Amino acid sequence: GAVVSQHPSWVICKSGTSVKIECRSLDFQATTMFWYRQFPKQSLMLMATSNEGSKATYEQGVEKDKFLINHASLTLSTLTVTSAHPEDSSFYICSARFGGHSGNTIYFGEGSWLTVV
Amino acid sequence: GENVEQHPSTLSVQEGDSAVIKCTYSDSASNYFPWYKQELGKRPQLIIDIRSNVGEKKDQRIAVTLNKTAKHFSLHITETQPEDSAVYFCAASRGTALIFGKGTTLSVSS
Repeated sequence: GAVVSQHPSWVICKSGTSVKIECRSLDFQATTMFWYRQFPKQSLMLMATSNEGSKATYEQGVEKDKFLINHASLTLSTLTVTSAHPEDSSFYICSARFGGHSGNTIYFGEGSWLTVV
Repeated sequence: GENVEQHPSTLSVQEGDSAVIKCTYSDSASNYFPWYKQELGKRPQLIIDIRSNVGEKKDQRIAVTLNKTAKHFSLHITETQPEDSAVYFCAASRGTALIFGKGTTLSVSS
């Protein structure tokens, strides 16, 4: 299947600092990527939809100034958690849609564990 | 917006038994319904999916059924094995995005 790569897998940062997570589609062009957050033993909660060349669409309740999303190319989307706090510690996972206009198959990156201390 | 309900939250079966997980969705415009298996600390893996123009799909021991009228779909796993133990998520499309159910922790004991 299509490959989506995410980096870093693990990151620890100090409270108040910012951290960037990258999501790459390795063997296909992804006009749309998605960012999810998953707290332990909970479901995947959609944070935002990232569209190449335009502003991301954020879900209700997600602070766009805190979670900056950039989708500058067809193979790369980044999520920057700004002024991180311990409550931002979570598993962040991206996904990309593969299959063209009518295709809806979505593949996930490996995920990034963020710990804010 | 789309709301996906998933039941049960936990399911314990004996090896060889069948397991059924059910989901309902709220948005009649949803047309794609995948199921993912997630092991602890890993990415969700697509195990089977179904589109709205199909009522049933089967892949070896796994099958999914869809009832668009009732807005519910189900995952059926037959002849369960210990390696089937994981968290299973259903999802429904909302435009190009996926909205997930809360997950079902399946435990298969030998």
